[in-house]
Amino acid sequence: AQTVTQSQPEMSVQEAETVTLSCTYDTSESDYYLFWYKQPPSRQMILVIRQEAYKQQNATENRFSVNFQKAAKSFSLKISDSQLGDAAMYFCAYRSRGSYQLTFGKGTKLSVIP
Amino acid sequence: NAGVTQTPKFQVLKTGQSMTLQCAQDMNHNSMYWYRQDPGMGLRLIYYSASEGTTDKGEVPNGYNVSRLNKREFSLRLESAAPSQTSVYFCASRTEWNEKLFFGSGTQLSVL
Repeated sequence: AQTVTQSQPEMSVQEAETVTLSCTYDTSESDYYLFWYKQPPSRQMILVIRQEAYKQQNATENRFSVNFQKAAKSFSLKISDSQLGDAAMYFCAYRSRGSYQLTFGKGTKLSVIP
Repeated sequence: NAGVTQTPKFQVLKTGQSMTLQCAQDMNHNSMYWYRQDPGMGLRLIYYSASEGTTDKGEVPNGYNVSRLNKREFSLRLESAAPSQTSVYFCASRTEWNEKLFFGSGTQLSVL
């Protein structure tokens, strides 16, 4: 079974600074998708960024970018120019192309300090 | 667009009571999911439905049943609620072409 590990239960960052959230995963598959989801206090789950494993280029979405290291099975999220609205729980998730199941990590709580 | 609509938002049950959580999506998605979220545990898949008429167990299906009534609706039923089922429940549906998962706003369930 696939597992997703987020080793940082909590992180904090100064407003306008950069922070990196870590995620590792375990799989024997070669074709899969990776995601980062944000959950603010409103409880709504929001897709931040997605990466397809067969694409070597790291995905970016405005201030959010990933460092995808397929051989190391690592998928970290970098948030640049952190804003107060970035404060939330962040979940890393994995899905094999041949599966319907999406496996989530346990989450990292990000605090942004004014 | 409403997206994924989940009801109720809050519910308190006594041990042994039954209830059904309703979920509907208006995006014509084939795949729908039920997750539970517990502190320190992330989201865990209870059941999913790949298409109308099919359902499959996820990671934590015990104590739950589901029904994919039609393409829009996917309900989750607790037949005899237990305190261990106190959790926040999320319904979701998935866009197949870009893998995007859309979530409902969640149901906070407490079983006393």
